[in-house]
Amino acid sequence: ETGVTQSPTHLIKTRGQQVTLRCSSQSGHNTVSWYQQALGQGPQFIFQYYREEENGRGNFPPRFSGLQFPNYSSELNVNALELDDSALYLCASSSPQGNEQFFGPGTRLTVL
Amino acid sequence: QKEVEQNSGPLSVPEGAIASLNCTYSDRGSQSFFWYRQYSGKSPELIMFIYSNGDKEDGRFTAQLNKASQYVSLLIRDSQPSDSATYLCAVPFSGYSTLTFGKGTMLLVSP
Repeated sequence: ETGVTQSPTHLIKTRGQQVTLRCSSQSGHNTVSWYQQALGQGPQFIFQYYREEENGRGNFPPRFSGLQFPNYSSELNVNALELDDSALYLCASSSPQGNEQFFGPGTRLTVL
Repeated sequence: QKEVEQNSGPLSVPEGAIASLNCTYSDRGSQSFFWYRQYSGKSPELIMFIYSNGDKEDGRFTAQLNKASQYVSLLIRDSQPSDSATYLCAVPFSGYSTLTFGKGTMLLVSP
């Protein structure tokens, strides 16, 4: 069974740029959630995708957007990067039946 | 929005002791509760989840839930230096299959 994978591992961008992060869900999981974890904080829910549709969103502005593909993989796009967007971005997948979230290794984004 | 509160720590215990990590939550309607462990620089790893009042044991870990007091705890028996990590408490987010996390408690186990 393949776990959740994310790419890239690390990324450095400058303010105002755009970034795309990628995630492949665990085998058998059709739901993907994205989280932002700032240093010293718990993960904060950005949004969730289920069957290629956004299925819930946390308190993040519209410049955070996403996609889910037919194979359940997902992308997180962030436009007009700000310094405060520097964080660990986590993707988690879950099965249709449960609340348990299984996390990928994360992408460390640094905005200069 | 649901709130989950944890003491940020660090909680320091000697090797072999019992570590007790605590979490309170604001929404009385919360039905399930999750504990994750996160090593520095790594992603969260699910340790346990609990749905019913009382205790749930899994190896050296015991989760305790008291819905009347809106309180959930994680006990780690025979603590090991490898248990040194941040422990995150989480509850489901607004009916979706996603989670609201606390800020986490850092645990330090000294040899």
